[in-house]
Amino acid sequence: NAGVTQTPKFQVLKTGQSMTLQCAQDMNHEYMSWYRQDPGMGLRLIHYSVGAGITDQGEVPNGYNVSRSTTEDFPLRLLSAAPSQTSVYFCASSYSTYFGVDVGYTFGSGTRLTVV
Amino acid sequence: AQTVTQSQPEMSVQEAETVTLSCTYDTSESDYYLFWYKQPPSRQMILVIRQEAYKQQNATENRFSVNFQKAAKSFSLKISDSQLGDAAMYFCAYRLNYGGSQGNLIFGKGTKLSVKP
Repeated sequence: NAGVTQTPKFQVLKTGQSMTLQCAQDMNHEYMSWYRQDPGMGLRLIHYSVGAGITDQGEVPNGYNVSRSTTEDFPLRLLSAAPSQTSVYFCASSYSTYFGVDVGYTFGSGTRLTVV
Repeated sequence: AQTVTQSQPEMSVQEAETVTLSCTYDTSESDYYLFWYKQPPSRQMILVIRQEAYKQQNATENRFSVNFQKAAKSFSLKISDSQLGDAAMYFCAYRLNYGGSQGNLIFGKGTKLSVKP
């Protein structure tokens, strides 16, 4: 089915370990983003990309790294995991808003990450 | 910077009754979108309803409707004939109708809705 695919769904890391959360979409969306969801905090933007080769920081970028080498993929890297990065992570994509038309975001099913 | 505020962390409604979830936002822009997303225990983010700021008519999707007050910067969600399946976390969100970084979704902190049988 078309949509946003996130892997893994669950992950436990030890403090200091690194890992990559994968995100792939097959809708040819230019815009992709990563959010983290914490209790009582809503969803907060980590990084986003408006097209292949273009990325930028969101509200809470520290400790995370991204790249966008293809339109389809937007991986999120944790370089040295910390307990404060325990959260649920969502990847989302949409068509560009440059033309003033919002056709909505498509969200992945989320990754629950625990750092011990 | 734009902000979205949901002042009700939790709400409860009796099955078949009507409930209204509140949302206010702060922006100096005039061209934007507002959304309500539903997140059931499955964690999936589901778009419930969308409102374009330039449209004065309130959006409606079956049992879900909004009360959009642009001058007051208020965007409440009304759920009529509540069903057990409506129990979820509801998020209000805002997005400028521009390109690039200005098109990011900004979320409120959410309202947890319980439905009593």
